[in-house]
Formats: sequence, structure tokens, C-alpha cells
Amino acid sequence: DAGVTQSPTHLIKTRGQQVTLRCSPISGHKSVSWYQQVLGQGPQFIFQYYEKEERGRGNFPDRFSARQFPNYSSELNVNALLLGDSALYLCASRIGDRLIEQFFGPGTRLTVL
Amino acid sequence: ELKVEQNPLFLSMQEGKNYTIYCNYSTTSDRLYWYRQDPGKSLESLFVLLSNGAVKQEGRLMASLDTKARLSTLHITAAVHDLSATYFCAEGGAQKLVFGQGTRLTINP
Repeated sequence: DAGVTQSPTHLIKTRGQQVTLRCSPISGHKSVSWYQQVLGQGPQFIFQYYEKEERGRGNFPDRFSARQFPNYSSELNVNALLLGDSALYLCASRIGDRLIEQFFGPGTRLTVL
Repeated sequence: ELKVEQNPLFLSMQEGKNYTIYCNYSTTSDRLYWYRQDPGKSLESLFVLLSNGAVKQEGRLMASLDTKARLSTLHITAAVHDLSATYFCAEGGAQKLVFGQGTRLTINP
């Protein structure tokens, strides 16, 4: 079985641009979470979606948004990019709403110039 | 607010030695997670500890959880170079994980 997949692998943008990151969960998993990991730090929670509904939101500005599709894949959108948005963006999937165990994808490395 | 603190943040050790990484967390959560991360890579799940007193072992790594002390430990036995990586603990909330700062472990031959 395929694990969590994310695209693209790497991305370079300039300040002020917008970016969309994509995630496909493990087959049978209905919940997707997004985390931001700045270099040298631990991952920070951004969003969690379950059955297409937002179930949790971290302390991130409104420039960050996400959605989940009927096939449980998800997109993370970031508008008006800042240099500080440069990070590894990790997607994690799990079976249900409550967190017991979740599995991380390979991540998307975003560089903002 | 959930808060997780790891120590040490940096650890350089010789092959064959034993050491322990400590993880303190702030709430009464009964779920604690350990991950490994290699440079430029994603997170690899090592252990999921779901109850007080839980102890899990895999190879040279052993993790334990004391919910009363709000403390988890990751013990490395007879370290080998392949264990060099950054190790994160994370506390499990209802919807999300709250991660510590990570411990960068370097094992020298």
C-alpha cells in the first residue's frame, strides 16, 4: 500500500506570491493534518480535516487555508508569501478524527525568496 | 497551552555508549510519541506510548512513559553511527501533536 503522498517535493516562490500544496492520505484514512517545520525546530500544527470539515486550527494567520476533498485528499494554500513561510510542510493522515496514530508524508520543501 | 520540552537539545556520543533523552510535557495527556528525522527527510514514527507505565523497545532504542511525572524517556543502548539523527517527542492532544524542539544526536565512531 502506498503511504502518504505529497506534491510537489520542492517549490521556490517569491514574496507576495501564492502557493498550493497537495496531499493524498493513506487509503482508508479519512483525516488529514498539516504541519509546518521551520529549519531547526519541531513541526507546528496548522490544520486538521476530517470528513471534509475543519476540526482543528493552529496559531497561523488567515493567509493559510486548507480544504479536504471527497476523496479525502487535501490542499494547503498560503497567500501573500513571506520569507518566514520558508519551511518543510508535512501532511499526516490517520484513520479517524481522534488522534491515536498518524503517518507523515515526505513533505514539501517551500523556499520563499 | 500544551508545551513539550526535550533535553538535551544536542548530544554527541561515542559508539557503544548508553544515553537517555528526556521529554517533559505540560498536560495530563496519556499519549506520547517519538519520531526520528534524518536531515532533509520527513518524520519516521518510532514509538507510540498510550498509557502510564508503557515501555516499548525496538533494537537499541527503548521508550517509556510516566504520566504522573509528565515525563517520557528515550534510552539508547550501545549506540551505533546509524542512530545519528534528530529525535522528536510529541504530546498527543485530541486533534493534534505538539512537538518538542528535537534532540540532535551525533554518534561518533
